[in-house]
Amino acid sequence: EPEVTQTPSHQVTQMGQEVILRCVPISNHLYFYWYRQILGQKVEFLVSFYNNEISEKSEIFDDQFSVERPDGSNFTLKIRSTKLEDSAMYFCASVEGVGGWTEAFFGQGTRLTVV
Amino acid sequence: AQRVTQPEKLLSVFKGAPVELKCNYSYSGSPELFWYVQYSRQRLQLLLRHISRESIKGFTADLNKGETSFHLKKPFAQEEDSAMYYCALHSGSARQLTFGSGTQLTVLP
Repeated sequence: EPEVTQTPSHQVTQMGQEVILRCVPISNHLYFYWYRQILGQKVEFLVSFYNNEISEKSEIFDDQFSVERPDGSNFTLKIRSTKLEDSAMYFCASVEGVGGWTEAFFGQGTRLTVV
Repeated sequence: AQRVTQPEKLLSVFKGAPVELKCNYSYSGSPELFWYVQYSRQRLQLLLRHISRESIKGFTADLNKGETSFHLKKPFAQEEDSAMYYCALHSGSARQLTFGSGTQLTVLP
């Protein structure tokens, strides 16, 4: 069964450093998402991406964040200058989207620790 | 703005007992409601969506628009049901999911 794959599973970075989280969505899916979950809190929407552009973003997704689909298979989330409060589990998701919005398939997550 | 509320962070029941995980939502339009489950060390996966009105692993959930609720129920809980359960709302215009804070269900032997 096709899966959304995320790498790395755990990333430790120093405050102020740039990080790139990588995701490979399911190949025929059209909608891509990043969510995050700070320890002990709810899963929060960050950004959605469709047709090679951001379709929606939350207040969390400020100028420090960017997303890219550089090669038609990877979908990346970049944080330019990490802060301690960026420490969280980051989930990528994709949706097939043909004929309407359907089930979101999630990756296993990347745990980002900013020290 | 849409919101999903799961009032119980933790819920414990004994094996064979009925279980109900509560979910309330606020949204002015016609929402789509989902239950996602996350077993220990596994990814979030879809359990149910209200549109399909099906029973998965013995779980059912009915959308009650009058009470704006989408509670998840199972008549006889099993130990393998122990997991984190998230209620989520999809609103057509937003094209993204709004999650509740989750309920950790523990089924005791």
